Amino acid sequence: SQQGEEDPQALSIQEGENATMNCSYKTSINNLQWYRQNSGRGLVHLILIRSNEREKHSGRLRVTLDTSKKSSSLLITASRAADTASYFCATDARGSNYKLTFGKGTLLTVNP
Amino acid sequence: GAVVSQHPSWVICKSGTSVKIECRSLDFQATTMFWYRQFPKQSLMLMATSNEGSKATYEQGVEKDKFLINHASLTLSTLTVTSAHPEDSSFYICSAKGQGGDNSPLHFGNGTRLTVT
Repeated sequence: SQQGEEDPQALSIQEGENATMNCSYKTSINNLQWYRQNSGRGLVHLILIRSNEREKHSGRLRVTLDTSKKSSSLLITASRAADTASYFCATDARGSNYKLTFGKGTLLTVNP
Repeated sequence: GAVVSQHPSWVICKSGTSVKIECRSLDFQATTMFWYRQFPKQSLMLMATSNEGSKATYEQGVEKDKFLINHASLTLSTLTVTSAHPEDSSFYICSAKGQGGDNSPLHFGNGTRLTVT
């Protein structure tokens, strides 16, 4: 079974609105990370939340982690057209030796 | 911040030829690098873990003789796709683990788009 399943698969919003993406996973983790990917490019690390943390902020990003439900959410506030990209959560499972398992991603489109 | 350079960014080759992709950590040493493969509109799938000075560890279903990995120095790992076929066409991305301990993020290259004709 796959770690890091995101939903929704695609999300289209207007500039200025907030975007929320969710991620679920199946095994115990050391941390959960969110990455962004522009089309045809590599991944850019956004934020890392450790298993003993519940919420973390970075600029317009807010990440929550609920280890009891094995889920995380990424909130982007006051979205901009430049936020248009695919967003992936990735889990660093315990004992995995830093191997990240990526979810399928959410394609976010922010319309100007 | 830590930078990973991947080269080439795209390559077109004929079926049966081999292609080498380089992944360099520019401003830090990476004892461990990872190679991923990504099909269009899909997630990243880990192919192998590249360890400096030792053999790579391949994920289940990935042919080690097909995808040769060499990690000869602390700043360079290479992936060679041997005897490439059209089904090998994909986006290949490398990443390197930073030096910040267990809870440090991976740093990704910009990927290589391989097209086999």
